[in-house]
Amino acid sequence: EAGVVQSPRYKIIEKKQPVAFWCNPISGHNTLYWYLQNLGQGPELLIRYENEEAVDDSQLPKDRFSAERLKGVDSTLKIQPAELGDSAVYLCASSLGQPTDTQYFGPGTRLTVL
Amino acid sequence: DAKTTQPNSMESNEEEPVHLPCNHSTISGTDYIHWYRQLPSQGPEYVIHGLTSNVNNRMASLAIAEDRKSSTLILHRATLRDAAVYYCILMSGTYKYIFGTGTRLKVLA
Repeated sequence: EAGVVQSPRYKIIEKKQPVAFWCNPISGHNTLYWYLQNLGQGPELLIRYENEEAVDDSQLPKDRFSAERLKGVDSTLKIQPAELGDSAVYLCASSLGQPTDTQYFGPGTRLTVL
Repeated sequence: DAKTTQPNSMESNEEEPVHLPCNHSTISGTDYIHWYRQLPSQGPEYVIHGLTSNVNNRMASLAIAEDRKSSTLILHRATLRDAAVYYCILMSGTYKYIFGTGTRLKVLA
């Protein structure tokens, strides 16, 4: 069974440019998460989807970050415009749908903003 | 959300058992204890989880204290591939994993 797929794996952009990350969760997983991981820190939740609905986006900086999961399957996270402090790893995870279900993580996208 | 406390780093010799401790003194009765590990340049990987009883799987064992205020992840025979950051996380009914900084395990050949 395929795991969580993310692309690209690496992205280097100039500040003020837009950037987008894509995630395809494990088949059948209704819940999808986007996390941010700064160097030396554990991941922090940005947003959680139940099917196509964003049910927890309280930690998403909405002035520059946006996300969508239009058909309740794959998802895109966008930053516009990117700032130097956005350099980090962006992780996507998915789970079946119960609160204590195991979350399965993708390999992440490492973003470098110059 | 309840918090966990782990040592920043630990070392182990290859082929020896490793005991990774985690304190969670504010755990509630319904919190599950999850362990993940993160290898370099990869996303976190599920290791094991439990509620009250000790748990075993092919990767590791989880020993949970009787009062549930602490737990220990046991790797029975450490290999070089087990070198990673290990996270102990409490999972309640809120979907929210609160990751700390974890324990960086170094395995010596």
